[in-house]
Amino acid sequence: DAKTTQPTSMDCAEGRAANLPCNHSTISGNEYVYWYRQIHSQGPQYIIHGLKNNETNEMASLIITEDRKSSTLILPHATLRDTAVYYCIVRVSYNQGGKLIFGQGTELSVKP
Amino acid sequence: GAGVSQSPSNKVTEKGKDVELRCDPISGHTALYWYRQRLGQGLEFLIYFQGNSAPDKSGLPSDRFSAERTGESVSTLTIQRTQQEDSAVYLCASSFYLEGVSPLHFGNGTRLTVT
Repeated sequence: DAKTTQPTSMDCAEGRAANLPCNHSTISGNEYVYWYRQIHSQGPQYIIHGLKNNETNEMASLIITEDRKSSTLILPHATLRDTAVYYCIVRVSYNQGGKLIFGQGTELSVKP
Repeated sequence: GAGVSQSPSNKVTEKGKDVELRCDPISGHTALYWYRQRLGQGLEFLIYFQGNSAPDKSGLPSDRFSAERTGESVSTLTIQRTQQEDSAVYLCASSFYLEGVSPLHFGNGTRLTVT
């Protein structure tokens, strides 16, 4: 399974963009990059996923490098409610059932 | 619409007792997952069901842990002879099964405390 590496923690000022990096240098061609976040005492919440192209939805943007070895999740205007642990996950291949293996994630603190 | 529902939300049990945790997935979701999250830790994969295929049990930590799912509906996770190290939040998730494009939707978990 491809592994991911994320910083343990990050701070961001409220109203600014939060850019969360993730390295996945061993990713395979058919593996997607997923991002989830977990706010204290809740189940993880899906944010966005992508394969090769950059993706954007109402929550965030996902920028994947051309070689697919790293990606960045962008929260364009962070709010205090975005304080959470953010998980970057490479989804294991079809033959292994599609389960998500979570790492330790990045603890993002949005400060006033 | 309704999300993944888990019950009970909290469970306190004595060491050595058996417990059953329930998960109601989103209607129409064919895949169902169980995870465990100890205090301050990340999510540990336990087991995965997909349709009528044999479940992926590779994450179950011991033979005290088992899970069942009837068709594409409710699943129960059973822990026999509970130990204090079983104390954790047990999370269930469901998804459609489309290769690579089906995000998992999580419930808010069952917090299990073994005294």
